[in-house]
Amino acid sequence: QLVLTQSPSASASLGASVKLTCTLSSGHAIYSIAWHQQQPEKGPRYLMKLNSDGSHTKGDGISDRFSGSSSGAERYLIISSLQSEDEGDYYCQTWGTDVRVFGGGTKLTVL
Amino acid sequence: QVHLQESGPGLVNPSGTLSLTCAVSGGSISSNHWWTWVRQPPGKGLEWIGEVYHAGSTNYNPSLKSRVTISVDRSNNDFSLKLISVTAADTAIYYCATTGRRGQVGVIDYWGQGTLVTVSS
Repeated sequence: QLVLTQSPSASASLGASVKLTCTLSSGHAIYSIAWHQQQPEKGPRYLMKLNSDGSHTKGDGISDRFSGSSSGAERYLIISSLQSEDEGDYYCQTWGTDVRVFGGGTKLTVL
Repeated sequence: QVHLQESGPGLVNPSGTLSLTCAVSGGSISSNHWWTWVRQPPGKGLEWIGEVYHAGSTNYNPSLKSRVTISVDRSNNDFSLKLISVTAADTAIYYCATTGRRGQVGVIDYWGQGTLVTVSS
């Protein structure tokens, strides 16, 4: 079964970097994912597609502070030079044949 | 730039039918990608509901499949969601979105602003 696992919460200081993790279920390590950002009281926004080799394609207008990388079944979202506006929920999303799946989300707090 | 706008009743009776429409502007409903519905219960995460292709093909979340219908209306350039036999557990913000609009299969890549639907008598 295709499942994405995310830590419920993360925190980092203003100006620092943070790495959020999304783990693909067993047997799905080669799958690509997408990252989405949801700021407080707002709808989600597509950030990037991230492949198993670490290559990624960002959405329109997404800051260079956002990047992605991969290792095995883990997919990472790296946010550098953290700003207060980066606080919010981050969701990974993947797809199989005729189905789309979301991770449970990580709540990022900027200290 | 495509713009998506959800509309529909904000309050639905238990055991009733939830009906929402997503108006598409800045693009054609006949574009070669999927039109998608996602929901988010208050304080919880995102749940994929399903999607429709302009030619009418559909894919649904297996957990909702028996209650969901998603369809396209080419004459109005919009698409719709119907969810029957609703309960309080269906209370959520409902988002319409596109999947694969940038040519990336499976990627949900553009979101509407969402509309809150409450199931209550």
